[in-house]
Amino acid sequence: GESVGLHLPTLSVQEGDNSIINCAYSNSASDYFIWYKQESGKGPQFIIDIRSNMDKRQGQRVTVLLNKTVKHLSLQIAATQPGDSAVYFCAEIRSPNSGGGADGLTFGKGTHLIIQP
Amino acid sequence: ETGVTQTPRHLVMGMTNKKSLKCEQHLGHNAMYWYKQSAKKPLELMFVYSLEERVENNSVPSRFSPECPNSSHLFLHLHTLQPEDSALYLCASSPELAGPSTDTQYFGPGTRLTVL
Repeated sequence: GESVGLHLPTLSVQEGDNSIINCAYSNSASDYFIWYKQESGKGPQFIIDIRSNMDKRQGQRVTVLLNKTVKHLSLQIAATQPGDSAVYFCAEIRSPNSGGGADGLTFGKGTHLIIQP
Repeated sequence: ETGVTQTPRHLVMGMTNKKSLKCEQHLGHNAMYWYKQSAKKPLELMFVYSLEERVENNSVPSRFSPECPNSSHLFLHLHTLQPEDSALYLCASSPELAGPSTDTQYFGPGTRLTVL
């Protein structure tokens, strides 16, 4: 079925290195993508979003890349810090007629980013 | 803090108990959501409320009963739950119903529920 998924459940990086977290989606009708960060004991927190008419968007230390040809989304974190340790979720919002719930918001399982000193 | 609070943060209950989860948002949002987060599974949308009216019930068993008395408060009433209902229950809100042209959802910290 249609789904949003993440390639790796765990990613370990050295402090100061760049991190890349990947996400695949299967519904080409998806219009909007969001990355969330969930720290231990907390709810998901919005990081950055991108609309389907864009292929790149930058925030503070984070960049999201969207490749609609291969239905791939990535989150790049520059100069990873200990505070970046968390589980990262991608989510897609589908067009209103494509199903997926009242707001068409579907989440991936998450990637656990571990920062090594 | 996201402006969305949930109580209690932790709850342990037996299968015959009745309990309620509470969510409150201080953001002036019109839409509120309940999600279930189980280990190693994606977030599952349970209920959606917009302007205090339920607009979505994603095939959730009747042992979960939501209530939205006003746009700032959302409850999830629990009755005769099963051990497999143990999970983190997250509340979220957004200015309007989330969609391609609108708004991000703001999540509360969740209630960690354990059903014995």
